[in-house]
Amino acid sequence: QLQLQESGPGLVKPSETLSLTCIVSGGSITRSSYYWGWIRQPPGKGLEWIGSIYYSESPHYNPSLKSRVTISEHTSENQISLKLSSVTAADTAVYYCARHNGDYRVEYFDCWGQGTLVTVSS
Amino acid sequence: DIQMTQSPSTLSASVGDRVTITCRASQSISTWLAWYQQKPGKAPKLLIYKASSLESGAPSRFSGSGSGTEFTLTINGLQPDDFATYFCQHYNSFLWTFGQGTKVEIK
Repeated sequence: QLQLQESGPGLVKPSETLSLTCIVSGGSITRSSYYWGWIRQPPGKGLEWIGSIYYSESPHYNPSLKSRVTISEHTSENQISLKLSSVTAADTAVYYCARHNGDYRVEYFDCWGQGTLVTVSS
Repeated sequence: DIQMTQSPSTLSASVGDRVTITCRASQSISTWLAWYQQKPGKAPKLLIYKASSLESGAPSRFSGSGSGTEFTLTINGLQPDDFATYFCQHYNSFLWTFGQGTKVEIK
């Protein structure tokens, strides 16, 4: 059974870089044909797609975050990572990793991690 | 960019009611639409994909319809477990956009 688990610091200082890891178990990020994505949700607000990656391809990023985001795959650990630089209080959110699925492998998110709250504060 | 607008933002209903939530796209998106249910403190859960296909394991009282610019999520016979927030989501050319959400509350 596929499971995703986000991990990383729960508190980040303004102007620093937020770094999170998504540990994928029950399936391989390289041997499967899935894209993997990051989505965030500020407290009490809606969902915002951050970016997505497929093994050996260039990642796709939300244009509004593109200048600050890096998503990478770590195949030996079966993990996906997210880095968001120059954070401000507006980046405070629950961050989710999720698996894409669909007829073209990308259209929707069918498996989500439990999410991790990251607070940006000094 | 394609904008997704959900309505209403909040909906009060009773157990047993038939509930309809609407999601409108700013331009035609064919049937590239999914619906999710989210409960407080939990991750979203996929209910419907490709506008009307029921995700495996999702209760059959949930149904989706629509194409082009207008889509609906219907809950036939609202159950206590269904009080939650629902989001629509669109995909187009490696961009994914969510609606702002509809909270279904107990009347």
